[in-house]
Amino acid sequence: EPEVTQTPSHQVTQMGQEVILRCVPISNHLYFYWYRQILGQKVEFLVSFYNNEISEKSEIFDDQFSVERPDGSNFTLKIRSTKLEDSAMYFCASRTSAFKGETQYFGPGTRLLVL
Amino acid sequence: KQEVTQIPAALSVPEGENLVLNCSFTDSAIYNLQWFRQDPGKGLTSLLLIQSSQREQTSGRLNASLDKSSGRSTLYIAASQPGDSATYLCAVMSRNYGQNFVFGPGTRLSVLP
Repeated sequence: EPEVTQTPSHQVTQMGQEVILRCVPISNHLYFYWYRQILGQKVEFLVSFYNNEISEKSEIFDDQFSVERPDGSNFTLKIRSTKLEDSAMYFCASRTSAFKGETQYFGPGTRLLVL
Repeated sequence: KQEVTQIPAALSVPEGENLVLNCSFTDSAIYNLQWFRQDPGKGLTSLLLIQSSQREQTSGRLNASLDKSSGRSTLYIAASQPGDSATYLCAVMSRNYGQNFVFGPGTRLSVLP
């Protein structure tokens, strides 16, 4: 069964460094998402992406964050200058169609630790 | 703004018991509601998806119901097993707040052998 994959599974970085989290959505999917979960807290929406542009973003998704689909398979989340509070699990998700009742398929997550 | 709450926050039951987890949401204009399972430090495993037009969905020992008008969903787990121990998350996709999921805080379930 096709699945969303994410790399790396874990990343440790120093505060102020740039990180890029990578996702490979399911191949025929057209809508892509990033969510994050700070330890012990709710899963929160960050951004959605369709047709090579951001569809929606939350208040969390400030100028430090950017997303890109650099080729036909990868979807990336970049944090330009990491802060301690960016430490969280980051989940990528994708879905296939414009039908909003369709589910999103989630990847296994990348655990980011900022020191 | 859509708010999703889940009660109880934690639940501990002996093996074999039937149990119910509750999810409430404030805006009933939803496309769907989904239940996920999350093991400690792990990703999200989709359990059941209920469309707004549906009343319930079943998969094995799991049954999820949806009462959109009252803003509630329940996840029923029959004959619980220690392997069911995990955090169960409820998430809704609202008509009024974009095309992303809004998650509840989860119920942490422990099934004791």
